[in-house]
Amino acid sequence: KAGVTQTPRYLIKTRGQQVTLSCSPISGHRSVSWYQQTPGQGLQFLFEYFSETQRNKGNFPGRFSGRQFSNSRSEMNVSTLELGDSALYLCASSLELILTDTQYFGPGTRLTVL
Amino acid sequence: DAKTTQPNSMESNEEEPVHLPCNHSTISGTDYIHWYRQLPSQGPEYVIHGLTSNVNNRMASLAIAEDRKSSTLILHRATLRDAAVYYCILKPDNYGQNFVFGPGTRLSVLP
Repeated sequence: KAGVTQTPRYLIKTRGQQVTLSCSPISGHRSVSWYQQTPGQGLQFLFEYFSETQRNKGNFPGRFSGRQFSNSRSEMNVSTLELGDSALYLCASSLELILTDTQYFGPGTRLTVL
Repeated sequence: DAKTTQPNSMESNEEEPVHLPCNHSTISGTDYIHWYRQLPSQGPEYVIHGLTSNVNNRMASLAIAEDRKSSTLILHRATLRDAAVYYCILKPDNYGQNFVFGPGTRLSVLP
């Protein structure tokens, strides 16, 4: 079974621009979560989607948004980019929202904001 | 969210057992203990999880203290491929899958 795929793998943008990152979960998985990883803050939860609905949201400004499609694929968007948005953005999928479900992470998209 | 405390770094020799400790003194009765690891330039990967009893799988063992205020991830024979950052995470019994990651323990494996 193919793992979680994220596109693009690398991205360079300038301040003020917006960016869209894509995540394709493992086939059959219905839950997708997004995380931001930076050297200073570590791994931080952004949001989680299940059946096209946002179920949970982390403590990030409204510039960060996401959505999930009927095929479970997910996108996240960051508008008005700031230098501090430079990070590795990780997507994780799981079968359901069960407490013990394993999360499978993708390789991430490395975003650099200049 | 309940917090975990782990050593910043640990070192091990190849083919020796490694015991990675995690303190979670504020754990609640329904929190699951999850361990993930992140190899260089990769996303985190699942290692093991448990609630009360010790758990074993092909990758590792998880020993949970009787009072559940601490746990230990055991790698029985460390290999160079086990060099990674290991995260101990408490998953609360609520709706959703989001994990609260701490800084983790960076494990170095020496040949």
